[in-house]
Amino acid sequence: GIQVEQSPPDLILQEGANSTLRCNFSDSVNNLQWFHQNPWGQLINLFYIPSGTKQNGRLSATTVATERYSLLYISSSQTTDSGVYFCAPKGNMLTFGGGTRLMVKP
Amino acid sequence: DTEVTQTPKHLVMGMTNKKSLKCEQHMGHRAMYWYKQKAKKPPELMFVYSYEKLSINESVPSRFSPECPNSSLLNLHLHALQPEDSALYLCASSPRTGQPQHFGDGTRLSIL
Repeated sequence: GIQVEQSPPDLILQEGANSTLRCNFSDSVNNLQWFHQNPWGQLINLFYIPSGTKQNGRLSATTVATERYSLLYISSSQTTDSGVYFCAPKGNMLTFGGGTRLMVKP
Repeated sequence: DTEVTQTPKHLVMGMTNKKSLKCEQHMGHRAMYWYKQKAKKPPELMFVYSYEKLSINESVPSRFSPECPNSSLLNLHLHALQPEDSALYLCASSPRTGQPQHFGDGTRLSIL
């Protein structure tokens, strides 16, 4: 199956800072989703982005399928952005990366 | 708020008990999924239903028994579980397999 690697594994930010999360995957994919899992365990859809760039408020994502990576940008981070960010490319099935654990400090 | 509803939110059961987890969606999605998530790990796929038929079983032990009685409902029947089965169980749905998945809030299961 697809191998998915996310970096960094852990990230601590001061409120207001910007950050870039990276997802590398080992094979061609049909689509890719980014999720945010909040401290209560809720897994929230952020983006469905098989290729190209999308923006939603302070968040944006870019997938370069030919080079097998995706990036998630968080601008002006807030404490509510804390949690784990998962990238999940889909080959045969959705495969989750190990996640980036983000803590935003006030 | 999530459009995939899972009940119960929390469940504590003994190893000899029989219980069921329930997942419901009314978005007209025809693919439904069960995932298991251990602490500090990503979700792992257990089962996939497509048009109410089991299409993928990721070598899950038989003490977990899925059921899809109709297009809106997905159950996971539990029997004779082990302490290592304690985890967050997540249900998801998508319009068809291969399309974006939407997750429920999960059931946090503890086995005594």
